[in-house]
Amino acid sequence: DAGVIQSPRHEVTEMGQEVTLRCKPISGHDYLFWYRQTMMRGLELLIYFNNNVPIDDSGMPEDRFSAKMPNASFSTLKIQPSEPRDSAVYFCASSTRRYEQFFGPGTRLTVL
Amino acid sequence: EDKVVQSPLSLVVHEGDTVTLNCSYEVTNFRSLLWYKQEKKAPTFLFMLTSSGIEKKSGRLSSILDKKELFSILNITATQTGDSAIYLCAVDSYGQNFVFGPGTRLSVLP
Repeated sequence: DAGVIQSPRHEVTEMGQEVTLRCKPISGHDYLFWYRQTMMRGLELLIYFNNNVPIDDSGMPEDRFSAKMPNASFSTLKIQPSEPRDSAVYFCASSTRRYEQFFGPGTRLTVL
Repeated sequence: EDKVVQSPLSLVVHEGDTVTLNCSYEVTNFRSLLWYKQEKKAPTFLFMLTSSGIEKKSGRLSSILDKKELFSILNITATQTGDSAIYLCAVDSYGQNFVFGPGTRLSVLP
């Protein structure tokens, strides 16, 4: 099993640009989570899906952030327009049970 | 607002020592408490606790929950350098997202 796959692994962009982060969950997992981790705020849950349906997006910081899961094997997190304070490591995680989440390697986003 | 506090924030020990990491929480509609280990990259799941007083054990790691006093401890016995990591505590609540604590950074020296 390849585990959770995230792309890109590193992204450097300029303020105002659109950023799209991608995630392929482990096959058979019906939960998918997007997290953000920074030194200041730690690990924060942004949104999670169950069976491709967004269940709770209360952690999404503002309207510039959006997430989609068009099918069971793919999800995106989009930031438009990006700002320097969005710089962080973004993790995708998947699970069959809500709590035993398997994390991907993360995408390190730097917004200049 | 739901809150998870961990202590200590940082800890340095020598191989063979036993450590106790603490996690306290204030949440409404508690569902479960989770422990994760984060080495260089992504967190990995350790334990999920839902009931008070029942110890979960995996090798040299063990954890217990006290729902009355709203805390959990994670014990690591006979520490090894490979135990060096950030240990994250998170609480899951009904109707709320997971809330993570700041983590305890454990360094085990040879």
